Amino acid sequence: DTGVSQDPRHKITKRGQNVTFRCDPISEHNRLYWYRQTLGQGPEFLTYFQNEAQLEKSRLLSDRFSAERPKGSFSTLEIQRTEQGDSAMYLCASSATTGTSGRRDTQYFGPGTRLTVL
Amino acid sequence: DAKTTQPPSMDCAEGRAANLPCNHSTISGNEYVYWYRQIHSQGPQYIIHGLKNNETNEMASLIITEDRKSSTLILPHATLRDTAVYYCIVRVLTPGSARQLTFGSGTQLTVLP
Repeated sequence: DTGVSQDPRHKITKRGQNVTFRCDPISEHNRLYWYRQTLGQGPEFLTYFQNEAQLEKSRLLSDRFSAERPKGSFSTLEIQRTEQGDSAMYLCASSATTGTSGRRDTQYFGPGTRLTVL
Repeated sequence: DAKTTQPPSMDCAEGRAANLPCNHSTISGNEYVYWYRQIHSQGPQYIIHGLKNNETNEMASLIITEDRKSSTLILPHATLRDTAVYYCIVRVLTPGSARQLTFGSGTQLTVLP
């Protein structure tokens, strides 16, 4: 059973640089979510996709952030002109809209990408 | 989604049962109770969820009170590897409802040797 994978696991960048993260969901899952987690806080929702359509975006997702899921499989999250406040763990999760009610839409998380902006 | 209240921290002796409480007094009839945990520097891990009835799986048991205003996650024989932050989340699954999980501060469970 292959879980959600994220790449890279760690990224250190200088302020002003652009960064891109990748998420590969569980293969049969049609929903994909991005969350951000800062130190000492619970994860906060950023955006989610159903297949290739981006259906919801949080107000946390400023115009420097963009997410794509071009073929309804893997997703990328890009941050342009990074700021020190972007330093956080970026988490990806996936879920399926089919299946028994017991498991339908249960989100499974990847290991996260830890971003440090210097 | 309804708000949840959890104690910020708890300790448990290794080998004993860990009982983690969650209050969700404003829960509505179509909201499920989910539990996740997060071991330091890892992604959250799904544990269990339920609507009305008590649930059990290979990881834990979930006890939901009859009025559904509170629940307890039970780890029957806690090990050192169960040390983590445990999150209780309530969530609607009906079409048109918000899809994201709303995490609170959770309970830091420390299992002591």
